[in-house]
Amino acid sequence: DTGVSQDPRHKITKRGQNVTFRCDPISEHNRLYWYRQTLGQGPEFLTYFQNEAQLEKSRLLSDRFSAERPKGSFSTLEIQRTEQGDSAMYLCASSLGSSGRAYYEQYFGPGTRLTVT
Amino acid sequence: DQQVKQNSPSLSVQEGRISILNCDYTNSMFDYFLWYKKYPAEGPTFLISISSIKDKNEDGRFTVFLNKSAKHLSLHIVPSQPGDSAVYFCAASGETGTASKLTFGTGTRLQVTL
Repeated sequence: DTGVSQDPRHKITKRGQNVTFRCDPISEHNRLYWYRQTLGQGPEFLTYFQNEAQLEKSRLLSDRFSAERPKGSFSTLEIQRTEQGDSAMYLCASSLGSSGRAYYEQYFGPGTRLTVT
Repeated sequence: DQQVKQNSPSLSVQEGRISILNCDYTNSMFDYFLWYKKYPAEGPTFLISISSIKDKNEDGRFTVFLNKSAKHLSLHIVPSQPGDSAVYFCAASGETGTASKLTFGTGTRLQVTL
């Protein structure tokens, strides 16, 4: 049973460039989440999908950010016109979305560390 | 507003002793609580959880206690081991009633010394 995977693990980009991250959830999980974590803080929710439907977005997700999950499997998070304030760890998580504990428990990938210079 | 608070940024405990990590929350709509452990350069790893209808959940060396009236939960690790050294995050869910986002605290760095 493979866990959540994310690619790339590290990305360095120049301000103003676009970047795209990929997340592959645990195969039977139908819920997929994106979070952002900055130094000294806990992860902050960005958005989540149930299958291919994007059901909730945080106000942190400005119009420069877009996320997709086209076939209900992997997901991509794109940041356009990156700014230095976008530098953070971007974490993806998935959950089974069924009843009981599985409804709540989210399993995280290793994250993509973005540095905007 | 910080709805989930971990007021101790760090904790040092001797190997074999009990580690107690604390977490407070303000939103009474939260109905499920989780603890995650994080090593540097890795994603958070799920440890243990508790529903708001319970006051205790135990899994091996880890026990989570929930006091709903005080809006407080704690994680006990007994006995503490050097491999437990990591950052521990408390998280809460259920705010929207749809079990979507987790709201995290800022973490407590636990160091278990020999």
